[in-house]
Amino acid sequence: TQLLEQSPQFLSIQEGENLTVYCNSSSVFSSLQWYRQEPGEGPVLLVTVVTGGEVKKLKRLTFQFGDARKDSSLHITAAQPGDTGLYLCAGSSGSARQLTFGSGTQLTVLP
Amino acid sequence: NAGVTQTPKFQVLKTGQSMTLQCAQDMNHEYMSWYRQDPGMGLRLIHYSVGAGITDQGEVPNGYNVSRSTTEDFPLRLLSAAPSQTSVYFCASSPTMGAGELFFGEGSRLTVL
Repeated sequence: TQLLEQSPQFLSIQEGENLTVYCNSSSVFSSLQWYRQEPGEGPVLLVTVVTGGEVKKLKRLTFQFGDARKDSSLHITAAQPGDTGLYLCAGSSGSARQLTFGSGTQLTVLP
Repeated sequence: NAGVTQTPKFQVLKTGQSMTLQCAQDMNHEYMSWYRQDPGMGLRLIHYSVGAGITDQGEVPNGYNVSRSTTEDFPLRLLSAAPSQTSVYFCASSPTMGAGELFFGEGSRLTVL
C-alpha cells in the first residue's frame, strides 16, 4: 500500500499570513492531485501535477511536485478566511488503478 | 447541475442492521468509487467500478458490497452494520482512472449504535 503523509495535520493562522503544507511519500507517483474540502461537502479538485519539478499556480496558491515525484507542497500567499478547509493530496501510480489519499491538513484562517 | 448525488445524507443504524447507500451520477462517467472518511485518516477506498458490470475491491472492502448494473448508479450495501462502520461515506466518479479528476458527492454520514 502506498502511503502519503501530510503535514502539518492542523494549521491555524491569521489572515494575510503565508503558509506551506506538505505531502510526502516513499513511493513514486506518476501524478499527484490536490483537493480542498469544506465542511459538509465532498472534496473538490484544485490541481493535478504530473512532471517532476513542475510548479503550478492558481491565484494565491502555488503547487510544486518534487523532482523525484515522491513529494509535493502547497504554498498559500496572503491567506484569506475563504481558504479555510481541509486540504488533501492524492497520488496515482502507473500500476495502481485508483488514487491514494493523504490524511489531510485542516487549515483555519482567522480574520 | 446534479453531478454526483448521494442519499441519504444522514442515517443512524443499530448494530446488525443492513442498509444501502445510493449513488447516482449524470455525467456518463465510466469510473465510480466509494470512499470512507474518518478523522485523521483521509479518504480510504472501499470499492470501485470501471464500468457497468465490473467492480473491484479497494483498501477496506470488508463488510461492504457493491454492484454496477448501469453506468449511472453505484450503490453501496452494508450487510450487517458494526460500530466500526460509523463514518462519512463519499461516492465519486471520474471519466478516467488513475490521474483523472474525481467528482465527489456531498457525503452520507452514517452512525452505527
